[in-house]
Amino acid sequence: NAGVMQNPRHLVRRRGQEARLRCSPMKGHSHVYWYRQLPEEGLKFMVYLQKENIIDESGMPKERFSAEFPKEGPSILRIQQVVRGDSAAYFCASSPFQDRGFSGNTIYFGEGSWLTVV
Amino acid sequence: TQLLEQSPQFLSIQEGENLTVYCNSSSVFSSLQWYRQEPGEGPVLLVTVVTGGEVKKLKRLTFQFGDARKDSSLHITAAQPGDTGLYLCAANFGNEKLTFGTGTRLTIIP
Repeated sequence: NAGVMQNPRHLVRRRGQEARLRCSPMKGHSHVYWYRQLPEEGLKFMVYLQKENIIDESGMPKERFSAEFPKEGPSILRIQQVVRGDSAAYFCASSPFQDRGFSGNTIYFGEGSWLTVV
Repeated sequence: TQLLEQSPQFLSIQEGENLTVYCNSSSVFSSLQWYRQEPGEGPVLLVTVVTGGEVKKLKRLTFQFGDARKDSSLHITAAQPGDTGLYLCAANFGNEKLTFGTGTRLTIIP
């Protein structure tokens, strides 16, 4: 779990500002996932990325949210013009490359970034 | 949309008792993971089960994967206060992303 590094751990933003959350996957992992957890709820899938590619963004809100995983550097989840409803814990997870035929896709989570919008 | 339902949602028992929590889906999943999450932290992987009917043990925790690959259970024997936490099941439905269950919040009373 400690191998996936997220920062900042806690972030406070005023309504209308931008939030940038960073995630460095475990060494050797080329797949990154972002999940959001609202208070007292389970984790909701947002986006799945490989290096320089968005594979599945079916859980991303259509506006204000974007994600990238560049060739060099961490994955970034960017939230523009934040609103109070964006307050949540955002978790990044990573997994190594898996053959598409593999059915046990284990992923490892970071400690999360807690965003508070005031 | 595949959904995972966990039951019970909340469970509070005395130290030393046994308990079982359940994870159910209307769709077949290819694999299932169980995680435990403590307040202010990320989910920590407990186990991955892949084969229908599979049983895995982790000290006092026993995980079972249903034969039909639509359900799983977690049984804890002689619960201890350190078992307190949010237990999450998460499944692969044939793609790379994990779908999480609603969670069971377990409290063990000393």
